[in-house]
Amino acid sequence: DTEVTQTPKHLVMGMTNKKSLKCEQHMGHRAMYWYKQKAKKPPELMFVYSYEKLSINESVPSRFSPECPNSSLLNLHLHALQPEDSALYLCASSQGPARGWTDSPLHFGNGTRLTVT
Amino acid sequence: DQQVKQNSPSLSVQEGRISILNCDYTNSMFDYFLWYKKYPAEGPTFLISISSIKDKNEDGRFTVFLNKSAKHLSLHIVPSQPGDSAVYFCAASAPGAGSYQLTFGKGTKLSVIP
Repeated sequence: DTEVTQTPKHLVMGMTNKKSLKCEQHMGHRAMYWYKQKAKKPPELMFVYSYEKLSINESVPSRFSPECPNSSLLNLHLHALQPEDSALYLCASSQGPARGWTDSPLHFGNGTRLTVT
Repeated sequence: DQQVKQNSPSLSVQEGRISILNCDYTNSMFDYFLWYKKYPAEGPTFLISISSIKDKNEDGRFTVFLNKSAKHLSLHIVPSQPGDSAVYFCAASAPGAGSYQLTFGKGTKLSVIP
């Protein structure tokens, strides 16, 4: 069982819908991440939160809005998405910065498979 | 422009033999490298890492070799087991970034044949 839990596992939404992806970890990690992965492509970093503050936004369109309500939770709010946004969205967490970024491998959840129609 | 390249989309190996997965990188600033394994319908799982001050790191059946001059790293799995069948991703980051800001390769699908 993964220690990073993502819900829902699958999501189908229309282009006018608003939905949210949720991620939870109870390992005491202070960094949390959103990655996007399309078929036969590598995971691509979207956002990084460190100590509940947004520290990296990889030029992600504003229709993706991250939120970190506390150190255990990470949300990704979705609005007015396009069909090309269909992908696997992966959440991850790591101990860094508390332990040092080079000694803190990412722990991934199983992802949310998003389909935009 | 891909900075981390895994040029073999797939690899088949007989059970008990050695699996060698390769990864090349173009950014000479990268100094920390990791391998992740991914089963279908699951997220990637960390396997092993190496920093640029080393040329080899070993963990059980898994060994990663780094050739900085060639900008090449490889993952050796010995002996290969059917449970090793998965997609393997190579990832790299710049100095001080560690896992904070990783660049991943496209992955190599390993099939271990019983």
